[in-house]
Amino acid sequence: KQEVTQIPAALSVPEGENLVLNCSFTDSAIYNLQWFRQDPGKGLTSLLLIQSSQREQTSGRLNASLDKSSGRSTLYIAASQPGDSATYLCAVISNSGYALNFGKGTSLLVTP
Amino acid sequence: DTGVSQDPRHKITKRGQNVTFRCDPISEHNRLYWYRQTLGQGPEFLTYFQNEAQLEKSRLLSDRFSAERPKGSFSTLEIQRTEQGDSAMYLCASSLGRGRAEKLFFGSGTQLSVL
Repeated sequence: KQEVTQIPAALSVPEGENLVLNCSFTDSAIYNLQWFRQDPGKGLTSLLLIQSSQREQTSGRLNASLDKSSGRSTLYIAASQPGDSATYLCAVISNSGYALNFGKGTSLLVTP
Repeated sequence: DTGVSQDPRHKITKRGQNVTFRCDPISEHNRLYWYRQTLGQGPEFLTYFQNEAQLEKSRLLSDRFSAERPKGSFSTLEIQRTEQGDSAMYLCASSLGRGRAEKLFFGSGTQLSVL
């Protein structure tokens, strides 16, 4: 059974800092990996999707990398802003099936 | 593109009652997913539809849960004889997919509280 772990569980940083969120998964037979953002009481917003054959994806101040063989992904947020405060979730989809397996998320607080 | 719509936003019910949630996906999205999320946890997969066909169901989906997607448009998720453990946020997502590489679009969810 695929297990997805996210470290740290919570993070508080001052505005302007660069930060890294970590995600690991136990079964490297994945089809893709996605990073989502979730605001309190809301649904999820897809941030980045990395195919299993790719190493990284970038969108604005966000950069996600994937090392499938070691079962790791990182989400790098440059020049953090208070508006980045949210929970960030990592999810993988296996080569079989259509279900996304999610981690528990990292709760990020960016203070002014 | 009006986004994925879920109704109701909140539902409070008594244990043993039946509840039904509705999800309207983004028009033309052929894939629809239901997930369940409890506080402090990531979403857990419940079921997946491609058009009107239910192609995958989680073992989490007990006999008390049923989902439909008639005509491949909106979907309903019904929970019969609700239990306190059913209290959670129920999330719907849709995608336009021909493989499994597509981005999922989530609704805002239905928060269920079973008293």
